Amino acid sequence: NAGVMQNPRHLVRRRGQEARLRCSPMKGHSHVYWYRQLPEEGLKFMVYLQKENIIDESGMPKERFSAEFPKEGPSILRIQQVVRGDSAAYFCASSELFGKLFFGSGTQLSVL
Amino acid sequence: ILNVEQSPQSLHVQEGDSTNFTCSFPSSNFYALHWYRWETAKSPEALFVMTLNGDEKKKGRISATLNTKEGYSYLYIKGSQPEDSATYLCAFRGQTGANNLFFGTGTRLTVIP
Repeated sequence: NAGVMQNPRHLVRRRGQEARLRCSPMKGHSHVYWYRQLPEEGLKFMVYLQKENIIDESGMPKERFSAEFPKEGPSILRIQQVVRGDSAAYFCASSELFGKLFFGSGTQLSVL
Repeated sequence: ILNVEQSPQSLHVQEGDSTNFTCSFPSSNFYALHWYRWETAKSPEALFVMTLNGDEKKKGRISATLNTKEGYSYLYIKGSQPEDSATYLCAFRGQTGANNLFFGTGTRLTVIP
């Protein structure tokens, strides 16, 4: 099954540590989206990437958050110096250009 | 960030009832409207991608309509079954800018046996 793979499924970090979330898109997909789900809320857009390019990062906090999608390897969402408010489920999705999204299983980040 | 609104926020129906919910989106610079179903403990899965005004799509007992001029889409479920219980998300993609996909907050449907 060459679906969207996210890892880890669960990530526990202490305040001030770094969190790295990985997403391998579906085979043949060159577009990756990251969304955050806070408790009792829907999917909030964070960043939209194409291979080696950030297309839209308007939903991502300016500080501490960064994302990349290198030519080789998975897309990475990086959160530096995590705080309790960063605790959430982070979903990655991939698509062909303007196509429907295929979602990964998500990474649940817990900040202690 | 665009405003995509869904109503109602949650809904309880009896098994066998038909139901519908609404997605409102900006009526300008429309490119596509997506519907996804999100079951508990799973990932969202695409139901429909709609691009033309007046589009109607159907998948089994679920169907959707699209009005791009007034900026709304309806999702209908005929004869609801317990397995239809899920959160239904719509997402809007515009023509301008980054052609990004913005989600509404969803309608949480519970079908009571």
